[in-house]
Amino acid sequence: GAVVSQHPSRVICKSGTSVKIECRSLDFQATTMFWYRQFPKQSLMLMATSNEGSKATYEQGVEKDKFLINHASLTLSTLTVTSAHPEDSSFYICSVSSGTSYNEQFFGPGTRLTVL
Amino acid sequence: KQEVTQIPAALSVPEGENLVLNCSFTDSAIYNLQWFRQDPGKGLTSLLLIQSSQREQTSGRLNASLDKSSGRSTLYIAASQPGDSATYLCAVKGGQFYFGTGTSLTVIP
Repeated sequence: GAVVSQHPSRVICKSGTSVKIECRSLDFQATTMFWYRQFPKQSLMLMATSNEGSKATYEQGVEKDKFLINHASLTLSTLTVTSAHPEDSSFYICSVSSGTSYNEQFFGPGTRLTVL
Repeated sequence: KQEVTQIPAALSVPEGENLVLNCSFTDSAIYNLQWFRQDPGKGLTSLLLIQSSQREQTSGRLNASLDKSSGRSTLYIAASQPGDSATYLCAVKGGQFYFGTGTSLTVIP
């Protein structure tokens, strides 16, 4: 399967600051990348879907101006949490897919964000 | 909207026991179903992928079945080991991936 990395693995920031999380597909041309959020003891919730070279599609309830997604190449997508607040503290996980419906998704190791 | 439910939410078994984890989903119009393992504070590791046209998949001590018409999948783990302790998530792929809430498994040495 594809190897997906995320950076950083953990980040602590002050309320009001912005944080950028990178998702890289190391050996796979990822036409589609997905960003998920997982709160403690809850399952993964899809935040947005991004296709290389186009705007991301956000799920209902996810603020696109707060969670900025850029998918500039087939190997890199970034999620920027702008003006972070303590309630944004969560585990953020990205996944990659080649884009066809029958393919697997391959997940990154996740980024733990703590907003003080 | 697709809803995915996993039962039980938590399971504790002695080492060596065979066990079954259950996953049910409300919309049978899926492309595939995938079982994952998640260790505490870590990402997801894919265990098995079953396409909608398939009935089961096997990998080592793991066997996953899919009954799309009834909206059910099971993950069978044979001869459980302490290293199997983790949270197991199932996810169905329709237009997007929908995840269950997971089963937290503890295998007691």
